[in-house]
Amino acid sequence: QVTLKESGPVLVKPTETLTLTCTVSGFSLSNARMGVSWIRQPPGKALEWLAHIFSNDEKSYSTSLKSRLTISKDTSKSQVVLTMTNMDPVDTATYYCARIFSPQGHFDYWGQGTLVTVSS
Amino acid sequence: EIVLTQSPGTLSLSPGERATLSCRASQSVSSSYLAWYQQKPGQAPRLLIYGASSRATGIPDRFSGSGSGTDFTLTISRLEPEDFAVYYCQQYGSSRTWTFGQGTKVEIK
Repeated sequence: QVTLKESGPVLVKPTETLTLTCTVSGFSLSNARMGVSWIRQPPGKALEWLAHIFSNDEKSYSTSLKSRLTISKDTSKSQVVLTMTNMDPVDTATYYCARIFSPQGHFDYWGQGTLVTVSS
Repeated sequence: EIVLTQSPGTLSLSPGERATLSCRASQSVSSSYLAWYQQKPGQAPRLLIYGASSRATGIPDRFSGSGSGTDFTLTISRLEPEDFAVYYCQQYGSSRTWTFGQGTKVEIK
């Protein structure tokens, strides 16, 4: 059974760095066909893709947020970590991690999401 | 970067009616990499259609996808009460990035 679960702070202050962890089970991050993305959704708004880490550890980032994002993985812990620097209230959103089974381009499994509020 | 534009923004229909949702891309998208998701309030998105026309596991056959190039369509043949939700299209591009449309809300008329 494939599951993904996001964890991290529910509240961060402006200018702080956000660190989110996605813990996966039911598949291995070392599998050559597995990749994980982070996607966010501000309240009442659309989904926005942020970053992806491929099975070979290559990374891809949203053009508009690239300078603020870092994605990494710890295969032994089955975790994918996203850091976002210089948080702003407009970054308030539910953050999801989701799996891609390469070479497909769609997200077949999603975590439940974690709401992060940016406020002083 | 490819931009996906969904229309209409909101679709007001009654149960049993047919829903037709549009997703237009700013440049050609490989059909292999066009997907549709359903999202209900407080829930994560659920994959409905991938490869423009293939139904994901467990998705009823009243959901169908079609299209190619820059124009794609999600059709719900007969709306069930549980189908009222927001629908997103998504593409994966050659630049190894993903984009979503802004969503279409299907609401009860």
